[in-house]
Amino acid sequence: EAGVTQFPSHSVIEKGQTVTLRCDPISGHDNLYWYRRVMGKEIKFLLHFVKESKQDESGMPNNRFLAERTGGTYSTLKVQPAELEDSGVYFCASSQDGGQPQHFGDGTRLSIL
Amino acid sequence: QKEVEQNSGPLSVPEGAIASLNCTYSDRVSQSFFWYRQYSGKSPELIMSIYSNGDKEDGRFTAQLNKASQYVSLLIRDSQPSDSATYLCAVIYGGGADGLTFGKGTHLIIQP
Repeated sequence: EAGVTQFPSHSVIEKGQTVTLRCDPISGHDNLYWYRRVMGKEIKFLLHFVKESKQDESGMPNNRFLAERTGGTYSTLKVQPAELEDSGVYFCASSQDGGQPQHFGDGTRLSIL
Repeated sequence: QKEVEQNSGPLSVPEGAIASLNCTYSDRVSQSFFWYRQYSGKSPELIMSIYSNGDKEDGRFTAQLNKASQYVSLLIRDSQPSDSATYLCAVIYGGGADGLTFGKGTHLIIQP
């Protein structure tokens, strides 16, 4: 069974540009989560989807971040326009049920210049 | 604000000894507790989950939970050099919010 996959693995863009990250959860996992780790800090929760619905987006930093999960399968996280402080590693995780162990992808390392 | 606290280390343990990793959390209604292992540049890998007070054993790993003291620990028996990594404690506080709250992690070094 394939694990959580994320694309791209690395992205380097300039301030003001737009970047879209993609996450494919484990097949059959209705719950999908986005997290971010900025340098020197702990991993922080961004938002949680149950199927195609946003269950909790309390961790989204501001309205420059837009997450979607059309059809309840893969998810995208778009940052527009990117700012320097958006640099970090963006992780996606999925679980079969809420409250159950979450399995993480390898992350997207985002660098804003 | 809900927090998870861990000693950042590094924690240095000789090969074959028991490594003891500790974590405290701030909210008494927390429901689910997890330990993840993360090698440098890699994704967090689930090691253990624990939901009720007491000990839970899986191979060389034992998780211990004490909800009254708001404390969760991970013991690694017969430590191996391959156990050298950062260990992340994570908590789900519940109440419909299933996102994990992570500690900063403890850097464990197993000395051959």
